[in-house]
Amino acid sequence: NAGVTQTPKFQVLKTGQSMTLQCAQDMNHEYMSWYRQDPGMGLRLIHYSVGAGITDQGEVPNGYNVSRSTTEDFPLRLLSAAPSQTSVYFCASRRRPDQPRVHNEQFFGPGTRLTVL
Amino acid sequence: DQQVKQNSPSLSVQEGRISILNCDYTNSMFDYFLWYKKYPAEGPTFLISISSIKDKNEDGRFTVFLNKSAKHLSLHIVPSQPGDSAVYFCAASARETSGSRLTFGEGTQLTVNP
Repeated sequence: NAGVTQTPKFQVLKTGQSMTLQCAQDMNHEYMSWYRQDPGMGLRLIHYSVGAGITDQGEVPNGYNVSRSTTEDFPLRLLSAAPSQTSVYFCASRRRPDQPRVHNEQFFGPGTRLTVL
Repeated sequence: DQQVKQNSPSLSVQEGRISILNCDYTNSMFDYFLWYKKYPAEGPTFLISISSIKDKNEDGRFTVFLNKSAKHLSLHIVPSQPGDSAVYFCAASARETSGSRLTFGEGTQLTVNP
């Protein structure tokens, strides 16, 4: 299994440009999430999905769109990049728990380092 | 509003000694807590977790303690090894989200000196 893969590893954008960060997992996990990591702020949830066709907003969703057309893929779209979106982006996935209150381990991708000039 | 806080940005310990990393939370709906470890240029990896129905969970050198009345948890690493040097994130999940989303703390950089 490749686990959770993210592309690209690095990206530089100009303000106003759009792009899509790719995320794929081959573990057949129902849950997928996008986080951004900024110095002194830990990981903050952008958007998440509990299954194909189902997405919801996290803590910091503004400026980002997501879709989940397949179980495997969960792309993150930046519609009009801003310098405030300079960050490291992590995608994560985990299996839906078989029972209530059971939290399965969440697997993270290696991250995409994005700079917006 | 930071619902999960790790007040120590960094911690330095000697090899062989105990490392204690602390985490505080404010949301009383959190019922599951996790610790993740992160090396530079890699994604976080799961380390250990604890449900709110327990007050201690142990896995090898790692033990997590939960004090629900104080809304505080801690991660103990004994004995600490240089390979433990990393950023450690505390995370929490609330029962009303069915565990579908995690809230993370700011992270603590642990350095274990040989």
